[in-house]
Amino acid sequence: GAVVSQHPSWVICKSGTSVKIECRSLDFQATTMFWYRQFPKQSLMLMATSNEGSKATYEQGVEKDKFLINHASLTLSTLTVTSAHPEDSSFYICSAREFYEQYFGPGTRLTVT
Amino acid sequence: QQQVKQSPQSLIVQKGGISIINCAYENTAFDYFPWYQQFPGKGPALLIAIRPDVSEKKEGRFTISFNKSAKQFSLHIMDSQPGDSATYFCAASGRYGDYKLSFGAGTTVTVRA
Repeated sequence: GAVVSQHPSWVICKSGTSVKIECRSLDFQATTMFWYRQFPKQSLMLMATSNEGSKATYEQGVEKDKFLINHASLTLSTLTVTSAHPEDSSFYICSAREFYEQYFGPGTRLTVT
Repeated sequence: QQQVKQSPQSLIVQKGGISIINCAYENTAFDYFPWYQQFPGKGPALLIAIRPDVSEKKEGRFTISFNKSAKQFSLHIMDSQPGDSATYFCAASGRYGDYKLSFGAGTTVTVRA
């Protein structure tokens, strides 16, 4: 149990375009989902907390207009990177909370050319 | 400011040996302490977790030791295997802030056959 999926697993896009990443909890309902960014050989950096039916809460320094988060249902949250630039290239990981536990998706590798 | 400090940054252990990773925290509001295992290019996987009402928890070859008064906790990997070679992250969360996790910097474990 407690499986979280992400789609796509990797994406390449051109600078200036937008990319949407989906995060789904497959076998449980998650009132809270989280979005992280991870650079090579570094820890996970929390970008935002997403609650179903309400606006996301962004961490300090994260541009909310650039990283749009929508938590449409108890099993789906999406992250849209708008007007992507090469510096947005990274590994994006979502997690879904069930009680105390957070379960992570497999991650999405974004490359902006 | 990193709320959870993790050491060592990396370690090498022989097959069959014991790997020990240590973490320390300051925030006394933390009441949930998970460990995650991450392989390259994958999302973190929940390995084992502990609450502060117990001093030790064991699951297979993995054991968490918890010292509430010292605000420290550690992961012991017994009989280390080459398949255990991965990056391990300790984390902590509390009831506030939707239980968002504060992560340690990570420890890269290499098990030599």
